[in-house]
Amino acid sequence: AQSVAQPEDQVNVAEGNPLTVKCTYSVSGNPYLFWYVQYPNRGLQFLLKYITGDNLVKGSYGFEAEFNKSQTSFHLKKPSALVSDSALYFCAVRDRNNFNKFYFGSGTKLNVKP
Amino acid sequence: KAGVTQTPRYLIKTRGQQVTLSCSPISGHRSVSWYQQTPGQGLQFLFEYFSETQRNKGNFPGRFSGRQFSNSRSEMNVSTLELGDSALYLCASSTAGGLYNEQFFGPGTRLTVL
Repeated sequence: AQSVAQPEDQVNVAEGNPLTVKCTYSVSGNPYLFWYVQYPNRGLQFLLKYITGDNLVKGSYGFEAEFNKSQTSFHLKKPSALVSDSALYFCAVRDRNNFNKFYFGSGTKLNVKP
Repeated sequence: KAGVTQTPRYLIKTRGQQVTLSCSPISGHRSVSWYQQTPGQGLQFLFEYFSETQRNKGNFPGRFSGRQFSNSRSEMNVSTLELGDSALYLCASSTAGGLYNEQFFGPGTRLTVL
């Protein structure tokens, strides 16, 4: 089984609408969870992370993510999408019970249309 | 502060050759990780170094190796190149020690194996 899964290859939303990019993980214990974004012709950039504490974490560019331990999910959200949010989004997990290996999801392409 | 730099940016090799890629982390960062990004397999973790020691590694064959120098710069070597090694190789650095710290990615080295 994949350590981290992004079930949607692509998400399409209209500008101004809320967006959700889904991520689930299948590592045991209390992993560290991350979201990264890759804009066209630019490197990967860190968005936010969950280590411990409040299940709702806020990150860069107005993004936030909700950690749900019972559902082993870490979905990325934004209340109002911008065209400039169009990019490739990656969820990642640090498996603290497996030599701290780092796993990335397959990525979700977010398309925000005007 | 300068970002993560990788050299060369582009490389063309033939099957059977070997290649060395270089990564200079952000000043003060002591952890360096390497990833392989391909359209089919996505982002896959290769290995991570901290203070010149390999801290963990992914599931790649022994043809893939790396090292880290005392100034935190890192090199990755691939021997006996195969066509399937064609990929974007990304290097990322993070601050000392913390496995929960975000990683800062370089622009990558695009390797093409003919």
